[in-house]
Amino acid sequence: EVHLEQSGAAVKKPGESLKISCAGSGYHFPSTWIGWVRQMPGKGVEYMGIIYPADSDTKYSPSFQGQVTISADKSTNTAYLEWASLKASDSAIYYCVRRNYGYFENWGQGTLVTVSS
Amino acid sequence: EIVLTQSPGTLSLSAGERATLSCRASQSVRNHLAWYQQKPGQAPRLLIYDASNRVAGIPARFSGSGSGTDFTLTISNLEPEDFAVYYCQQRTDWSWTFGQGTKVEI
Repeated sequence: EVHLEQSGAAVKKPGESLKISCAGSGYHFPSTWIGWVRQMPGKGVEYMGIIYPADSDTKYSPSFQGQVTISADKSTNTAYLEWASLKASDSAIYYCVRRNYGYFENWGQGTLVTVSS
Repeated sequence: EIVLTQSPGTLSLSAGERATLSCRASQSVRNHLAWYQQKPGQAPRLLIYDASNRVAGIPARFSGSGSGTDFTLTISNLEPEDFAVYYCQQRTDWSWTFGQGTKVEI
């Protein structure tokens, strides 16, 4: 069974850095695209970007290009989403997603990121 | 970037009724459109892909149709567990965008 296990909630201050993770199991992680989706409080879902772990080919949504870094470690079957300098507007739930059928068939449980001074 | 516009914003119905949700794309996405369901406190769940294909395990009361720029998700005979927010999503040229969502409420 496919499972995506995300790291726990994070509380940070503006300007701090953060890296959250998503561990995939139950499928061949290196050869399956894995992405990230943001959901701000009370709002809809937004696609952020996606990575192919086998060669780290990464594609970003224009809205998130330069704002975050997506990476993956195929040796540990883990994908990452990273911020160099958080803003209050980065407060949201972040989901990792596994691409299948061309869409996002499997979702992690979500990681709540709170950025507040 | 392709923009998806969903209507209506909220649909107020009763169990047993039929729900018809619309999604319009700013340019043709051929049949590259999916539908997701999200319940409070949960991650979205993929229901339909490539406009009309149900994911394994999704009940037959969920059906999708359309191509080009206009798409419809139909939920026949609403069950209590179907009251949720529904998002459409397109995929083109290694880019994905979501609509803003339609809430189906009692």
